[in-house]
Amino acid sequence: EDKVVQSPLSLVVHEGDTVTLNCSYEVTNFRSLLWYKQEKKAPTFLFMLTSSGIEKKSGRLSSILDKKELFSILNITATQTGDSAVYLCAVLENSGNTPLVFGKGTRLSVIA
Amino acid sequence: DGGITQSPKYLFRKEGQNVTLSCEQNLNHDAMYWYRQDPGQGLRLIYYSQIVNDFQKGDIAEGYSVSREKKESFPLTVTSAQKNPTAFYLCASRSTHTGIYEQYFGPGTRLTVT
Repeated sequence: EDKVVQSPLSLVVHEGDTVTLNCSYEVTNFRSLLWYKQEKKAPTFLFMLTSSGIEKKSGRLSSILDKKELFSILNITATQTGDSAVYLCAVLENSGNTPLVFGKGTRLSVIA
Repeated sequence: DGGITQSPKYLFRKEGQNVTLSCEQNLNHDAMYWYRQDPGQGLRLIYYSQIVNDFQKGDIAEGYSVSREKKESFPLTVTSAQKNPTAFYLCASRSTHTGIYEQYFGPGTRLTVT
C-alpha cells in the first residue's frame, strides 16, 4: 500500500490556467513533506513543509500542508509551458535520518 | 561548484553483464541514496547509506549491490540477477543534521540493457 499518493497522475492545461496538485500521505511520525519538480533529468527542490497552515510561496508556485487531514497541495497560477514537468511529493517520517518516501508524481503538461 | 555527479549519462549493456553506475558528491553529506525511476512509477529506493562502510536495502534491492568506502562515493552495481534493469537511475544525498531534510539529486544515468 502506497504511503504517499499524488493526484491526478497526469494533467493537461492551457497556458494561463491555474492548477492544483494534490498529495496525501499516511505515515507514522510525520516529520516533513517536500515538493520537487522534475523536467528531463534530476528533480529540483521546490518547497519543504513542516507546519500546518503556513503557505510557502515562490513566484507563481505556492504550497500548504494540512497535518490534520494528512495532505498537501501545490498550486501553480498563470501556468506557462515551462511549468510542464513531473511534480513529485515526498514525505519524511521518523527520526529524520530515514529516506524520503516518494509518491508516483503528477505529470503536468501546459500547452500554448 | 558543489553538487552530485553521476556517470555515465547513458549506458548500454548486453543482458547477463554486470554494470556499475558512478555517484560522487562534494557536498559533505553523510547520507546517500540510489533510486530507480520507471514511467509512471515515481522514485523507488534501491539502497541507501547513512555513513561510510554501512548501507541498507531499500524497497527494491534485489539484483543490485552497493559499497560505501568513501564519504563522497556511492557506486551502484546492477547485476545480471536484476530481471528488468532498463531504467533511469538517480543518486541523491542529504545532510543528516537535524532539520535539514532537503535531498539533492544527481543528473541521472539512463541504463538500457538489451
